[in-house]
Amino acid sequence: GDSVTQMEGPVTLSEEAFLTINCTYTATGYPSLFWYVQYPGEGLQLLLKATKADDKGSNKGFEATYRKETTSFHLEKGSVQVSDSAVYFCALSEEGTYKYIFGTGTRLKVLA
Amino acid sequence: KAGVTQTPRYLIKTRGQQVTLSCSPISGHRSVSWYQQTPGQGLQFLFEYFSETQRNKGNFPGRFSGRQFSNSRSEMNVSTLELGDSALYLCASSTQQGANAEAFFGQGTRLTVV
Repeated sequence: GDSVTQMEGPVTLSEEAFLTINCTYTATGYPSLFWYVQYPGEGLQLLLKATKADDKGSNKGFEATYRKETTSFHLEKGSVQVSDSAVYFCALSEEGTYKYIFGTGTRLKVLA
Repeated sequence: KAGVTQTPRYLIKTRGQQVTLSCSPISGHRSVSWYQQTPGQGLQFLFEYFSETQRNKGNFPGRFSGRQFSNSRSEMNVSTLELGDSALYLCASSTQQGANAEAFFGQGTRLTVV
């Protein structure tokens, strides 16, 4: 079945450091890929998405590129802030399945 | 525009009881999905409804059930609660569930079974 694998956390960075959170997927078809973020005590918010190979999703300085050849969708940000501290989830959705499959989440902690 | 509203926010139940959780989607959204979030298993899909019809169901026992009303509001029910049902239950709504659809999540209902 379809699955999403994320790097284990927690990831601890200093403010203004470069961030990469790795995400790889397994899917039978051509899924859309998403990054969601969860702040403490909150639900999930969509951070960015990509719907086909080579698409780049971007938002709030975060970006990720849909790489079909490596089945990856790594999240990057050039300069993190303390306010970026949260849990980040990579997810996929295939047309017709009416559901998301999420990775286990990666906790990011940014220190001032 | 109001977001996805889940009630109640917190619940404490004892083993063997049943519980009903409620979700009001964003106005105009006809698809509602439910997920269980636990530290050990992460986010697991429970079921999805569209126009009162269940279109997909996850791998959960029959004690977990749901329904959707004509106004798109949805409820999920868990009967004969077990300690392992303690989790954050998240509801998400979208205009339609598909490869390009963004799901908007509520803040969740934190269920504790004692």
